[in-house]
Amino acid sequence: EAQVTQNPRYLITVTGKKLTVTCSQNMNHEYMSWYRQDPGLGLRQIYYSMNVEVTDKGDVPEGYKVSRKEKRNFPLILESPSPNQTSLYFCASSPGRGATYGYTFGSGTRLTVV
Amino acid sequence: GQQLNQSPQSMFIQEGEDVSMNCTSSSIFNTWLWYKQDPGEGPVLLIALYKAGELTSNGRLTAQFGITRKDSFLNISASIPSDVGIYFCAGQYNFNKFYFGSGTKLNVKP
Repeated sequence: EAQVTQNPRYLITVTGKKLTVTCSQNMNHEYMSWYRQDPGLGLRQIYYSMNVEVTDKGDVPEGYKVSRKEKRNFPLILESPSPNQTSLYFCASSPGRGATYGYTFGSGTRLTVV
Repeated sequence: GQQLNQSPQSMFIQEGEDVSMNCTSSSIFNTWLWYKQDPGEGPVLLIALYKAGELTSNGRLTAQFGITRKDSFLNISASIPSDVGIYFCAGQYNFNKFYFGSGTKLNVKP
């Protein structure tokens, strides 16, 4: 089944403890992206990647890192999480340039930082 | 980042009624997309619009790309309980960057 898989689905952590949220897609998509969803704000892009080793900042990149060492994987790293990063996170992928295909989203990771 | 104004924020309707929601922006977009998010899941693409004035249907859903390229609307006809969820508009003007509205939460009473 073609899908975007995120892990974990739920995570509670403490301020300052480094964490990684994994994302993997099995559709050989070139483009991958991370979004966070907060009430009343919709989805805001954190980082995106156009291909292996090519990443760029979205609208809210502060406090996050990403890497794209392989085409299928695009992990999101929080080096020192803070409570304002408590949110619902989505990884998404797209097969090619532009909006022709839209994004396929994962099921989300709900992160709570205390 | 870009701001998309999506309205209404929430709707409570009776099964069988038609629904209309819209999205406006201060910027011009090249593409408009409409997504639906079920509880506990990621958004799923419903309809994509690629040129101004375009009207596209997907079953009971119809969406239009506004002539000014700054707005779009989504209509759902004869709503059913499984239409419940959050509907997001998304606009794109730059290579592979999408901007999302804040969502319209739809509740359907059987």
